[in-house]
Amino acid sequence: DTAVSQTPKYLVTQMGNDKSIKCEQNLGHDTMYWYKQDSKKFLKIMFSYNNKELIINETVPNRFSPKSPDKAHLNLHINSLELGDSAVYFCASSLGTGTDFGANVLTFGAGSRLTVL
Amino acid sequence: DQQVKQNSPSLSVQEGRISILNCDYTNSMFDYFLWYKKYPAEGPTFLISISSIKDKNEDGRFTVFLNKSAKHLSLHIVPSQPGDSAVYFCAASGYNFNKFYFGSGTKLNVKP
Repeated sequence: DTAVSQTPKYLVTQMGNDKSIKCEQNLGHDTMYWYKQDSKKFLKIMFSYNNKELIINETVPNRFSPKSPDKAHLNLHINSLELGDSAVYFCASSLGTGTDFGANVLTFGAGSRLTVL
Repeated sequence: DQQVKQNSPSLSVQEGRISILNCDYTNSMFDYFLWYKKYPAEGPTFLISISSIKDKNEDGRFTVFLNKSAKHLSLHIVPSQPGDSAVYFCAASGYNFNKFYFGSGTKLNVKP
């Protein structure tokens, strides 16, 4: 039973299209994240939600819109896809926020590879 | 502007020997550091962490060393096993423990 699951695993689409990636965690964690792994392999945080509330919103084009219907789900919708959006997107979750080191260890999903043609 | 850097993209080690993976950071406000391990087609999994109040943390075959003055940390794996072959990411956070900065990873190959 996968702890953090994302769908789809692979997504190939044309420039200008709109697409969504879904993420679900069954760990009972309060905080969820979207990370992007770019062509240089760095993992960069995009968004973070705690109990459905947006707490981190990095400098990401507003074509990217996260949505958290409940604390177990965090979806990523991307409008007007561009070539530079091609990357692997990782969803992650952690137990909570605050100053407890252990509570902020991330559990990642397997990633969703987006290819924009 | 990458605040966490792993300057060795790859490392090859013989089984049974020590693997040493290195990580440098630029932000002196970072005080919590983690290593993640990633197999192909999987997400990174947590391996070991260290806070800035320590200079060493050990968990079985894995030891992380932190040198705050040099802004450098390293992961030692001894003895290395073929199953350790993976990409290892270093990550750091400061006062905002929800925001981790990751390096670009080092691909470790342990040869039988």
